[in-house]
Amino acid sequence: DQQVKQNSPSLSVQEGRISILNCDYTNSMFDYFLWYKKYPAEGPTFLISISSIKDKNEDGRFTVFLNKSAKHLSLHIVPSQPGDSAVYFCAARGGFYDKVIFGPGTSLSVIP
Amino acid sequence: GAVVSQHPSRVICKSGTSVKIECRSLDFQATTMFWYRQFPKQSLMLMATSNEGSKATYEQGVEKDKFLINHASLTLSTLTVTSAHPEDSSFYICSARGISGAGTGDNSPLHFGNGTRLTVT
Repeated sequence: DQQVKQNSPSLSVQEGRISILNCDYTNSMFDYFLWYKKYPAEGPTFLISISSIKDKNEDGRFTVFLNKSAKHLSLHIVPSQPGDSAVYFCAARGGFYDKVIFGPGTSLSVIP
Repeated sequence: GAVVSQHPSRVICKSGTSVKIECRSLDFQATTMFWYRQFPKQSLMLMATSNEGSKATYEQGVEKDKFLINHASLTLSTLTVTSAHPEDSSFYICSARGISGAGTGDNSPLHFGNGTRLTVT
């Protein structure tokens, strides 16, 4: 049973426009959420995170929104750049040992 | 920032042999390390949680006798794939969370190594 879901396996966006990646979770024990960017054959690179007590966190071009009642979060990238093309994983932390569980990922392509 | 080093980056072994993968936190002490595996075009699946000085906690469906985890110090955890078979071929990634210095704190993100590509022939 998937605890972290990313329902869009892929997303294509024009350079300069906004990219919106969505994530849903089922476990109410999660208290911290993270977004990672990953290239093939490399480890994930941390992008941005948000605590469950907040509803927005912004870092440069990246903004994460959390709707706790809906168990939904989203990552906004604006403006999108071709170098942003990668697989983006949503992750959630909680439970014993504060395990981090990953979603299935969304492959983002930013078209020049 | 926090650095996690994973070694080797790539290994090819014969079926039936054992392979050891090392994960080191270079500039912080890691009380907890996590081991993940990733199949092609799939997500990172948590295999086990490794705590320094205690036994690892394995996720459901992961064979603890096949995937031996040792967290001998605050900067080193190892994953040994015993009696490897072709179906164990995968991308293994470790991550670490610290107790002091970089990568620490309640809201510190996990920092990942660059992964190990294991191919069992």
